[in-house]
Amino acid sequence: GIQVEQSPPDLILQEGANSTLRCNFSDSVNNLQWFHQNPWGQLINLFYIPSGTKQNGRLSATTVATERYSLLYISSSQTTDSGVYFCAVLQGAQKLVFGQGTRLTINP
Amino acid sequence: DVKVTQSSRYLVKRTGEKVFLECVQDMDHENMFWYRQDPGLGLRLIYFSYDVKMKEKGDIPEGYSVSREKKERFSLILESASTNQTSMYLCASSLGHYTDTQYFGPGTRLTVL
Repeated sequence: GIQVEQSPPDLILQEGANSTLRCNFSDSVNNLQWFHQNPWGQLINLFYIPSGTKQNGRLSATTVATERYSLLYISSSQTTDSGVYFCAVLQGAQKLVFGQGTRLTINP
Repeated sequence: DVKVTQSSRYLVKRTGEKVFLECVQDMDHENMFWYRQDPGLGLRLIYFSYDVKMKEKGDIPEGYSVSREKKERFSLILESASTNQTSMYLCASSLGHYTDTQYFGPGTRLTVL
C-alpha cells in the first residue's frame, strides 16, 4: 500500500516564527488532505490539496504531485497553532492513509 | 457547518464487556469511517461504510464490528473488550466522492481495565 512519511516528527518554536512541515508519499495520489489535531483531540481539516497551492490566512499548502510531496507553511505562529499536523492521502476509493504526524509546540 | 458527534468523550469498561461507540453526522454524508489512534502508530482505519447496511473492512478490523442501520448513524461494536483495545476512537464522514474531505468527530477515549 501507499506509504506516507512526515517530517519533522517534532517541532518547537517561539511565537511569531514561521514553520514548514513536509509530507512525502510513495505513489501518485488524487486526494491529499492536511489536518490539525488540537490538544483536546479534535481533528480539523485544513486543506484538500492534491496539487497546486492554496492559502487560508496564515496557513498555506503546496503539493507537487509529480515529485510526490506536499508542504504546509505556517507563518507568524501563535500558541493556538500547537498540536499535531497530519497529512493523509487516498488509497483506493475511500480509504485515507495517514502519516505519523508532526507535533508542533509554539511557546509564548 | 458539518457536525459529527460521538456518544462519549471518555469511557471506561472492563475486560469482556460489550462496548458500543456511536457516531452521528448531520450532513447527509454517504461515507462514514471509524479509526483508532495510538501513540507512534497514527490513525488506522477499522471499518468504513459507503451506504446504509454496507460496510468494508479497513486495516485493523479484528475484534470489532460495525452497524449502519440509518444513513446518519454508524456504530462501532467491541463484542468482548480487551485491554489492547484501549485507545482513542475517531469517527469521520464524507460526502461520497473520492475528492471529498473527511470531517471528524471529537473522539472517544476508551480505557479497558
